[in-house]
This record gives sequence, structure tokens and C-alpha cells, in this order.
Amino acid sequence: NAGVTQTPKFQVLKTGQSMTLQCAQDMNHEYMSWYRQDPGMGLRLIHYSVGAGITDQGEVPNGYNVSRSTTEDFPLRLLSAAPSQTSVYFCASSYGTSWNEQFFGPGTRLTVL
Amino acid sequence: SQQGEEDPQALSIQEGENATMNCSYKTSINNLQWYRQNSGRGLVHLILIRSNEREKHSGRLRVTLDTSKKSSSLLITASRAADTASYFCATDDMRFGAGTRLTVKP
Repeated sequence: NAGVTQTPKFQVLKTGQSMTLQCAQDMNHEYMSWYRQDPGMGLRLIHYSVGAGITDQGEVPNGYNVSRSTTEDFPLRLLSAAPSQTSVYFCASSYGTSWNEQFFGPGTRLTVL
Repeated sequence: SQQGEEDPQALSIQEGENATMNCSYKTSINNLQWYRQNSGRGLVHLILIRSNEREKHSGRLRVTLDTSKKSSSLLITASRAADTASYFCATDDMRFGAGTRLTVKP
């Protein structure tokens, strides 16, 4: 099992550009989520999904879109990148609900100039 | 929000000593989880304790939960340099605090 994979590992964008951060898991987990982590801080929930075709907003959803067409994939799209979106992004998955053990990907470090 | 808040923000100890960090939360929970994050890496799940449990052990880790005080503690016994990391608690809605940064000096 590869677990939770994220691509790319690093990305630099210019303000206004759009891009998609990829996340995939091979554990057949229903629950997937995206977080951002700013320096010296904890993780903040952006969006989450409880299953294919179902997504919902977390704590800081503005400026981000998600979709869940398959159980395995949960891409995060930045619509028009802003410097405030410079952060490290983590994807996570778990069996069932968020109440269970979360498995995290290695993260994507994004810089917006 | 049921966000967990860890205390202290930073902790520095010598190898072999015990490390205790605390987590407080605001509303009723079904369970509470502790995670470790090594610098620049993703979080790794350490232990989950359910609301009807008071104490749980996993190797050198001991977690307690006091639902009446809405608090939990994580004890790492006989610490090692490899335990150097940030430690986070999370409640049901998976909202994290800023964490406790633990440094274990060899």
C-alpha cells in the first residue's frame, strides 16, 4: 500500500494563477480531507468528503474548490492563487468518519508570489 | 468549534526524562486523538481515546482523558532524541491546535 500520496511536493505560483493539488489513497477510505498548515501553527481544515460525490466545507474554504468523483482521489483546486495561500497543504483519509485514525500524506509546499 | 488547544507551546527536556503535554477542548466529544509531526512531514497518528475511557497506553505513551474537565494529557516516558517533534490533539471534527513543540536533548 502506498497510503496517501500527494503531488506535487513543491510548487511556486504567481498571483492569479490556478492549479490543482492532487491527493490519492489506496486504502478504500470513505473520509478524505484537506488541511493547510501555516508556520508555527496547527492544521486548519479546508474541505472534506465523506464519500464519492459528497463534499463539504471546513474551517477555511474560501479560494478553494474540491471534487470527489472516485473513492481514491480528492483533488484540491486553487481558483486564483493569492499570497495568503502560501502554506503547506496536507491531505488525509480515514476509514468511516473523521472520528477514526487519520492517515496523512507527506504534504505539498506551495508558495504564491 | 471543538478545537483542541495544547499546552505548553514548547517543552525542552533531557533524554531519559518524561514529557507531559496537555490538551483542552470546549464541548463534549466522542473521542480525542493525539498526533505527532516531525519537522516538515505529515502527521502520524499516535493514539485514540474514547469518551468512555479514562486512560490508554501504547508503548511509552500514556494518554488520560478527563471529560469533566474537558482535558487530556499525553505522557511520553523515557524520552529519546527521536521523540523530538510537535504533538497535536484533535477532537471529533478534526480541528487541531497549534501543538506542543517537544525537544529532547541527547
